[in-house]
Amino acid sequence: DGGITQSPKYLFRKEGQNVTLSCEQNLNHDAMYWYRQDPGQGLRLIYYSQIVNDFQKGDIAEGYSVSREKKESFPLTVTSAQKNPTAFYLCASSTRNYGYTFGSGTRLTVV
Amino acid sequence: SQKIEQNSEALNIQEGKTATLTCNYTNYSPAYLQWYRQDPGRGPVFLLLIRENEKEKRKERLKVTFDTTLKQSLFHITASQPADSATYLCALDYNTDKLIFGTGTRLQVFP
Repeated sequence: DGGITQSPKYLFRKEGQNVTLSCEQNLNHDAMYWYRQDPGQGLRLIYYSQIVNDFQKGDIAEGYSVSREKKESFPLTVTSAQKNPTAFYLCASSTRNYGYTFGSGTRLTVV
Repeated sequence: SQKIEQNSEALNIQEGKTATLTCNYTNYSPAYLQWYRQDPGRGPVFLLLIRENEKEKRKERLKVTFDTTLKQSLFHITASQPADSATYLCALDYNTDKLIFGTGTRLQVFP
């Protein structure tokens, strides 16, 4: 079955710690995206990538970093510079002019 | 900048009735408009895409309309069922590299 796999489902971060969220897809999609979802605020774009080895900042990129070394993988690192990282993180992929396929999400909590 | 408005209040309807959700936007019309379903704690699932030059699109019990004069899309679920209870998101595609998502409307269908 084709799809997007996000891991882990739940993640706890201590103050000052960097954590990396995994996102893998086997849909052969060129484009991949990372969104953050907070209650009542909808989906906000963090980073996106249209091709391997290239990515662009979204609306709320500060405190986050990404890499796109392989077409299938688009990991997101939440750095210690992100002051309010507690949120639900969603990864998605797409082909042109069609709907996005989303993963099941990672819920990150600062402890 | 573009803004999307979806009714933040939940829509409560009785089973068997038609649910109608609204998506309004400002400024210029998108090339495509998409609708997604999101269940609690899960990633959104793509439902339908409608193009700027299409007035209506149907898929089983779902119907989407797109009125570029009113700058509005309506999403209908006919013969609604309790299993249709979820949050429904609309998203605008301006033929750029990314979608703009609304905050969603929660639908509750009562038996």
